[in-house]
Amino acid sequence: DTGVSQDPRHKITKRGQNVTFRCDPISEHNRLYWYRQTLGQGPEFLTYFQNEAQLEKSRLLSDRFSAERPKGSFSTLEIQRTEQGDSAMYLCASSFGTSAETQYFGPGTRLLVL
Amino acid sequence: GEDVEQSLFLSVREGDSSVINCTYTDSSSTYLYWYKQEPGAGLQLLTYIFSNMDMKQDQRLTVLLNKKDKHLSLRIADTQTGDSAIYFCAEIPLSGNTPLVFGKGTRLSVIA
Repeated sequence: DTGVSQDPRHKITKRGQNVTFRCDPISEHNRLYWYRQTLGQGPEFLTYFQNEAQLEKSRLLSDRFSAERPKGSFSTLEIQRTEQGDSAMYLCASSFGTSAETQYFGPGTRLLVL
Repeated sequence: GEDVEQSLFLSVREGDSSVINCTYTDSSSTYLYWYKQEPGAGLQLLTYIFSNMDMKQDQRLTVLLNKKDKHLSLRIADTQTGDSAIYFCAEIPLSGNTPLVFGKGTRLSVIA
């Protein structure tokens, strides 16, 4: 399967712990996006990369959130000192191109902070 | 500003047509999308339309775009129980710095 993959699919953690999620995009896609989706809402944009460059990060929810894409392939999203309000589905998407284009989504990582 | 509005629920009988509506605010949006999300899953791209088009048909799906009213609709012909899901409308606004802006989604329930 050559779709977008995310790992883990589910994560339960205690408040105050750090978590890291991984996303592997479709192999020829140069853009990679992170979104957060809370219950009853549509996905909310967090950040995105073109190759290894992070082009937009002002929408990251706080300085506890950070993302990397060091080699322009897979990406990681880290949340430090998790809070209960961070509980959500974290979605990754990828696309090919530099202008308006179609984003393909992974299955998501569901985070529960206790 | 960036805002996409959808009605939250729609219920139809199997075999009928479903029409899901969406309004958006950014008149400069170039592409508009429909995504489907089944329980516990990611988003599946259904179809999209470029802003210079009025209509796009893809098998059972018909997308209508009214740019003047900033209104987008998705019609599903011969709705099946497998179509039960949440449908999201999304736009790529030229203004702002957000690649995709989503509505809250319309939950479609198909009654057998």
